[in-house]
Amino acid sequence: GENVEQHPSTLSVQEGDSAVIKCTYSDSASNYFPWYKQELGKRPQLIIDIRSNVGEKKDQRIAVTLNKTAKHFSLHITETQPEDSAVYFCAATAYSSASKIIFGSGTRLSIRP
Amino acid sequence: EAGVAQSPRYKIIEKRQSVAFWCNPISGHATLYWYQQILGQGPKLLIQFQNNGVVDDSQLPKDRFSAERLKGVDSTLKIQPAKLEDSAVYLCASSLRQGRNTEAFFGQGTRLTVV
Repeated sequence: GENVEQHPSTLSVQEGDSAVIKCTYSDSASNYFPWYKQELGKRPQLIIDIRSNVGEKKDQRIAVTLNKTAKHFSLHITETQPEDSAVYFCAATAYSSASKIIFGSGTRLSIRP
Repeated sequence: EAGVAQSPRYKIIEKRQSVAFWCNPISGHATLYWYQQILGQGPKLLIQFQNNGVVDDSQLPKDRFSAERLKGVDSTLKIQPAKLEDSAVYLCASSLRQGRNTEAFFGQGTRLTVV
């Protein structure tokens, strides 16, 4: 079945440094890749997404890259701040009528002051 | 815009008891998802509805879990009987429709503890 693998499971970076989270997907029909941020005790919220017709998308300090050939996509956070501490989930889905949103296992990001 | 509403927020039950969760999606959203999130893991899709029809329930343990979405709006998820391993947060999400606008909006979740 469809699967999304996410690495690393935990990540600790110094405030101001960059953080990178990587995901791979198995379903070649996947063409929409959202990233969700989940703060402790709160609901997952979409922070950025990328569609398969582009290779990169940036929104202020957050960027996502997509390599469809390798079925890899990554989240990049630059100039990290304490409020970036959270669990981040990647996901993959397709535009088809029976598409499912499959989530990765999550990355717990901690920002060290 | 009102978000996805779920109730109850917390529930503690003994094993072998029954429990039901309720979800009211964002108005106009045709697609509704139920996810199970075990502590420290990513959300796992249990069932997906498109309007009042089931699109996917391949991961739903049908011997004990059931879900319905009558009239294509609200949905309930039931567990009967509950097991210790069902302890998790049950998240409901909705999206406008399957297709291009597939952003899913999540509810606050119901934290279930089975003792």
